Amino acid sequence: EPEVTQTPSHQVTQMGQEVILRCVPISNHLYFYWYRQILGQKVEFLVSFYNNEISEKSEIFDDQFSVERPDGSNFTLKIRSTKLEDSAMYFCASSSQGARTGELFFGEGSRLTVL
Amino acid sequence: AQSVTQLGSHVSVSEGALVLLRCNYSSSVPPYLFWYVQYPNQGLQLLLKYTTGATLVKGINGFEAEFKKSETSFHLTKPSAHMSDAAEYFCAARGDDKIIFGKGTRLHILP
Repeated sequence: EPEVTQTPSHQVTQMGQEVILRCVPISNHLYFYWYRQILGQKVEFLVSFYNNEISEKSEIFDDQFSVERPDGSNFTLKIRSTKLEDSAMYFCASSSQGARTGELFFGEGSRLTVL
Repeated sequence: AQSVTQLGSHVSVSEGALVLLRCNYSSSVPPYLFWYVQYPNQGLQLLLKYTTGATLVKGINGFEAEFKKSETSFHLTKPSAHMSDAAEYFCAARGDDKIIFGKGTRLHILP
């Protein structure tokens, strides 16, 4: 069964460092998403991406964040200068039809710890 | 704006007992509603979804949920809890081109 894969599963970084989280969506999917879950809190929407551009972003997704689909298969989330409060589990999701009509398939997450 | 409210951040039931996890939503568009489960140290897995049609939706692992428009509810139930059901459960609703999650309910199964 096709699945969304994310790397790394866990990354520890120093405050102020750049981090790139990688996702390989399901191959025929066209809609991509990043969510995050701070420990013990709800799963929060960060950004959606379609047709090589951001469709929607939340207020959390400030200038420190960026997304890219560099090679047609990977979908990356970059945090330019990490802060302590960026420590969270980051989930990538993909969909063939988008959230309006279809189901989102989530990866197992990348846990980011900022020291 | 769409929102999802889950009543009870923690629910404990005995093994074999009925599981009931509550979810209410608000939506300005016809709702698509979802329940996701997150087992410890794992990702989000879709349990079931309601889009259109039959209001009682059956999902994996014996779970089901009923969409009640008049109550704006989408409660998740399972007739008989199993130890393996211990997990975090998230109710979610579509909001434009994204899914909005509730805060989650951690289900504890008592032996």
